[in-house]
Amino acid sequence: GNSVTQMEGPVTLSEEAFLTINCTYTATGYPSLFWYVQYPGEGLQLLLKATKADDKGSNKGFEATYRKETTSFHLEKGSVQVSDSAVYFCAQLIQGAQKLVFGQGTRLTINP
Amino acid sequence: EPEVTQTPSHQVTQMGQEVILRCVPISNHLYFYWYRQILGQKVEFLVSFYNNEISEKSEIFDDQFSVERPDGSNFTLKIRSTKLEDSAMYFCASRLQGASTDTQYFGPGTRLTVL
Repeated sequence: GNSVTQMEGPVTLSEEAFLTINCTYTATGYPSLFWYVQYPGEGLQLLLKATKADDKGSNKGFEATYRKETTSFHLEKGSVQVSDSAVYFCAQLIQGAQKLVFGQGTRLTINP
Repeated sequence: EPEVTQTPSHQVTQMGQEVILRCVPISNHLYFYWYRQILGQKVEFLVSFYNNEISEKSEIFDDQFSVERPDGSNFTLKIRSTKLEDSAMYFCASRLQGASTDTQYFGPGTRLTVL
């Protein structure tokens, strides 16, 4: 079936550290891939997306590349800030379907 | 910037009671969704709605659940007889008509607690 697996959290880093949150997926066909972020007390916000293999999504210093050969969409940021503390969700949208399939979420805490 | 809104932010109810969760999608959007997240678990799809009818639903969305767009702005999720296991955060989302890869925009969620 179609699923998304994220690295286990919580993740705690110091400000200006390099961030990687791993995400892999299983899918029949070629899904679109997304990272959503949930800041404390808020809803899910789209962070970035990629719709086909080798596409790179980027926003607010975050990047993720759609890797079909490794079925991955890892989230990276070169230098994190305290304000990046949030829960990050990887998700796929199956071709022709309506629903997003989410990973379990990774809680990120950045210490000053 | 337009956003999806949801009310109430927190709903507490007794088991067996009916609840209605309300959402106001972004005004020019045509596809509407409900998802839920039980504490500590994944965000799960419940239902999608387009052109005044359900277009897809999950196995979670049984006869106890219903959705409605009663007017031009609201989109509601009704749970007829709540169970303890319905306690979760419920998210509404909407998107423009168009390619299925168009972004789904989420509301802040309603936390439902069933006692």
